Amino acid sequence: NAGVTQTPKFRILKIGQSMTLQCTQDMNHNYMYWYRQDPGMGLKLIYYSVGAGITDKGEVPNGYNVSRSTTEDFPLRLELAAPSQTSVYFCASHPGTAFDYGYTFGSGTRLTVV
Amino acid sequence: GQNIDQPTEMTATEGAIVQINCTYQTSGFNGLFWYQQHAGEAPTFLSYNVLDGLEEKGRFSSFLSRSKGYSYLLLKELQMKDSASYLCAVKGRDSSYKLIFGSGTRLLVRP
Repeated sequence: NAGVTQTPKFRILKIGQSMTLQCTQDMNHNYMYWYRQDPGMGLKLIYYSVGAGITDKGEVPNGYNVSRSTTEDFPLRLELAAPSQTSVYFCASHPGTAFDYGYTFGSGTRLTVV
Repeated sequence: GQNIDQPTEMTATEGAIVQINCTYQTSGFNGLFWYQQHAGEAPTFLSYNVLDGLEEKGRFSSFLSRSKGYSYLLLKELQMKDSASYLCAVKGRDSSYKLIFGSGTRLLVRP
């Protein structure tokens, strides 16, 4: 049981480039989330999804886009990368059926924009 | 809006007890979570409180007072491996299960 898998683990982008961060889960969780974590800080919610075909903005959505065509996959797209997007990105999932169940997090993608 | 405050850093001695506080102001509240995050790793779920009182899980306990907008995480019999960041997170009333996180408290356990 792989849980939540994120790829790539590391990436260096040049300013203005674009990329997609991949996230897939094999637990049949309906709810998925993208967070970013800047050094020494907590997690900020970028986008989330409560099921296939449904996405919504979080606290810091500017500069990002998401899609949710299947239950398993929730990719995050960065268009026109900027240095302010240098961060660690975590994908997480939740079954949406139990209040006391914590998120399952992926291992993260460390992104540097230069 | 939501605001969550935690101390930035704490230091404690191996074998001792430490209490990490979290205060929150939210427009809607439906639970408070604590996560542990070791350097370079993803957060892992520690505890969940939705009603007032103390929840105990082995060496870790978490307390909630909804009227005061206050929670704490209590770590007993500290071990070196407890050196990590501890994140407080609040769940709102909507059905999305999205969490708003505090900035985290970095705990250093010394021998």
